[in-house]
Amino acid sequence: DAGVIQSPRHEVTEMGQEVTLRCKPISGHDYLFWYRQTMMRGLELLIYFNNNVPIDDSGMPEDRFSAKMPNASFSTLKIQPSEPRDSAVYFCASSFAGGWETQYFGPGTRLLVL
Amino acid sequence: TQLLEQSPQFLSIQEGENLTVYCNSSSVFSSLQWYRQEPGEGPVLLVTVVTGGEVKKLKRLTFQFGDARKDSSLHITAAQTGDTGLYLCAGASTGNQFYFGTGTSLTVIP
Repeated sequence: DAGVIQSPRHEVTEMGQEVTLRCKPISGHDYLFWYRQTMMRGLELLIYFNNNVPIDDSGMPEDRFSAKMPNASFSTLKIQPSEPRDSAVYFCASSFAGGWETQYFGPGTRLLVL
Repeated sequence: TQLLEQSPQFLSIQEGENLTVYCNSSSVFSSLQWYRQEPGEGPVLLVTVVTGGEVKKLKRLTFQFGDARKDSSLHITAAQTGDTGLYLCAGASTGNQFYFGTGTSLTVIP
């Protein structure tokens, strides 16, 4: 199994640009989570999906952030427009049935907004 | 507001020493997990505890869930350099919310 795949691994962009982060969950997993990790705030849950449906997006910081899951094997997290304070490592995780308790994380996307 | 506070935040010890990391909250959790994260990678699940008072052992690592399900500890015996990393506790609240702790960065010096 390839595990959770995220792309790109690194992204450097300028303030105001649109950023799209991509995630391919482990095949057969029906939960998908997006997290953001910073030194100041630690690891924060942004949104999670169950069977491609967004269940809880209360962690999404503001309207500039949006996430979609068009099918069971693909999800995107979009930031438009990006700001320097969005600089962080963004992780995608997936799990099967157990939900919170059996999450497998991807390697993360390190985002730097100049 | 951090629901799960970990202590210490940073820990640097010599190889062979023992250590304990704490994860505390004022909230009750239905389950609690411990993860280890290495630089440039995502967190990797070490263990899940679900019963108050539960103790689980994973080789040199011992995990305990508090009786009231509000706290947990991770004890490492005879630390090795390979134990170096960021240790994160995480919990599912009874209100079906999920939170990660503030993290403990462990460095084991050879």
